[in-house]
Amino acid sequence: GQSLEQPSEVTAVEGAIVQINCTYQTSGFYGLSWYQQHDGGAPTFLSYNALDGLEETGRFSSFLSRSDSYGYLLLQELQMKDSASYFCAVSSQAGTALIFGKGTTLSVSS
Amino acid sequence: DTEVTQTPKHLVMGMTNKKSLKCEQHMGHRAMYWYKQKAKKPPELMFVYSYEKLSINESVPSRFSPECPNSSLLNLHLHALQPEDSALYLCASSQGDNEQFFGPGTRLTVL
Repeated sequence: GQSLEQPSEVTAVEGAIVQINCTYQTSGFYGLSWYQQHDGGAPTFLSYNALDGLEETGRFSSFLSRSDSYGYLLLQELQMKDSASYFCAVSSQAGTALIFGKGTTLSVSS
Repeated sequence: DTEVTQTPKHLVMGMTNKKSLKCEQHMGHRAMYWYKQKAKKPPELMFVYSYEKLSINESVPSRFSPECPNSSLLNLHLHALQPEDSALYLCASSQGDNEQFFGPGTRLTVL
């Protein structure tokens, strides 16, 4: 079977740092992506890791360890607008289907 | 133009109706996707088109029929749907192996 595990909810205050973990078990692995989705909106791409290590894009960073089947999304200097659902997703084949985790709801308070 | 557009935004249909959802992208992307998303759940892949050919069909019931008339357009034809098919239907496109661009979705209600 294929599964991606991530926490269902995370809460934090403005200015804080949050890490959302994702472990996966899939029949194939090509890369790990992260998407953000606000209520009523569409998923938007945040980050992608195909190789081990850290990718940094502004306030967001993503990490991958292929040997541990594990990755995380790090959100720094949290803002209220970061309150959203965050999905990790695995590409099991080159350039095609995404398998999504169940999503983590992040609530940022002032 | 870096967006995926979908029409209609909202659709209410009866179980005997036939309707179509439309998706368009002008980014020259080679792959286009249909996902279904229920409330508080992740998107679930339905179909993948690669170079205008259906490459993945995730065991979707035949009451959903995809069509890719050209490299920019993707349709999803709906017929004899059930109330449990009510969901947000998302279209996405991609060129490479990493980023998928999602449209705003069509919120479908089946009565």
